[in-house]
Amino acid sequence: ELKVEQNPLFLSMQEGKNYTIYCNYSTTSDRLYWYRQDPGKSLESLFVLLSNGAVKQEGRLMASLDTKARLSTLHITAAVHDLSATYFCAGYQGGSEKLVFGKGTKLTVNP
Amino acid sequence: DTEVTQTPKHLVMGMTNKKSLKCEQHMGHRAMYWYKQKAKKPPELMFVYSYEKLSINESVPSRFSPECPNSSLLNLHLHALQPEDSALYLCASSQGPGADTEAFFGQGTRLTVV
Repeated sequence: ELKVEQNPLFLSMQEGKNYTIYCNYSTTSDRLYWYRQDPGKSLESLFVLLSNGAVKQEGRLMASLDTKARLSTLHITAAVHDLSATYFCAGYQGGSEKLVFGKGTKLTVNP
Repeated sequence: DTEVTQTPKHLVMGMTNKKSLKCEQHMGHRAMYWYKQKAKKPPELMFVYSYEKLSINESVPSRFSPECPNSSLLNLHLHALQPEDSALYLCASSQGPGADTEAFFGQGTRLTVV
């Protein structure tokens, strides 16, 4: 069964700083996704990573996938307050439709 | 159009009530999902419908009853719920296994059981 582990679970950072959120998964997962969730809101898709070495960037966020290491990263560059949210990574289990989520990383960006 | 529409947005129901949550998508997606999310927790999968057939039931209590009337609609019928069932219920859809795109989520129904 696919297990998805994120760390850190809580991240408090200052505006302008850089940081990385890590997502490890336990078994082969051919696709890896990153979502953002604001308090009381639904999940917003950020990135779809489909193959080993995939790198996607949107604004101050960049996501990458290393299928050999079973690791995805979400890198934050020069954080701003608007990035404060909970970030989830998720993967499909073994070619099924079961989308499994990590526990989420609650990011707080302080002025 | 990448929209998944859920109604109602908020629902308060008593433990003896029967209510239904509704979800609709017009993206031609073949897989539809119900997730339950408690505060400060990740979404937990409840059910998956694939090509209008129930393909995954994550051992959900029978007081939750899913229904997929057609490829665009997904319902979740609720009966005799408990206060601990209060949560955000999220519907999602995707192109199905093997597809290259993500699952899209609706705005959720905030359910309170009193």
